[in-house]
Amino acid sequence: EVQLVESGGGLVKRGGSLRLSCAASGFTFSTYSMTWVRQAPGKGLDWVSSISSSSTYIYYADSVKGRFTISRDNAKNSLYLQMNSLRDEDTAVYYCARLYSSASPLDYWGQGTLVTVSS
Amino acid sequence: DIQMTQSPSSLSASVGDRVTITCRASQNIRSYLNWYQQKPGKAPKLLIYVASSLQSGVPSRFSGSGSGTDFTLTISSLQPEDFASYYCQQSFNTPYTFGQGTKLEIK
Repeated sequence: EVQLVESGGGLVKRGGSLRLSCAASGFTFSTYSMTWVRQAPGKGLDWVSSISSSSTYIYYADSVKGRFTISRDNAKNSLYLQMNSLRDEDTAVYYCARLYSSASPLDYWGQGTLVTVSS
Repeated sequence: DIQMTQSPSSLSASVGDRVTITCRASQNIRSYLNWYQQKPGKAPKLLIYVASSLQSGVPSRFSGSGSGTDFTLTISSLQPEDFASYYCQQSFNTPYTFGQGTKLEIK
């Protein structure tokens, strides 16, 4: 069974940093691209960043470029999102999701982890 | 960036109704259009990919159509468990933008 479990969310001050993790199991992690999607309270879905299976291709939304860094460790079946210089508008539930390759749909999602940025 | 516009933003319907949600892309995305269902407090779930392919395990009352810039999600006969929010997403080009969502409520 495919499982994606996010962790690392919490309360952080404006300007602070946080590192999210996503532990994958039930599939060959090293053959899939991965994505982070976020959802602010009461709002819609917002694509954040994607990384290819071997980390060759990395993409970011303009809103997080230069502040967030996506990475993965295929030996540990884990995906990461390092978030720096956090802003109020980064407050959201962050989901990791799997996609086979670019242009593929997000076929499995984790349960999400909440990041709250406070002043 | 490709903008995705869904309509309506909200919709009231009854069990057994046929419902259609539309999604328009700001440029040609061929068939790289996906639909997700999200229930409150839960992660989104993939329903339809590449515009019209039904994800494994999804009931056949869900269907998708369209190509280019105009797409539709149809639920042929609403069931109580279908009341949720629905999002389209383009996977043609980064950023892989989502529509703003359609909240389907019980009438």
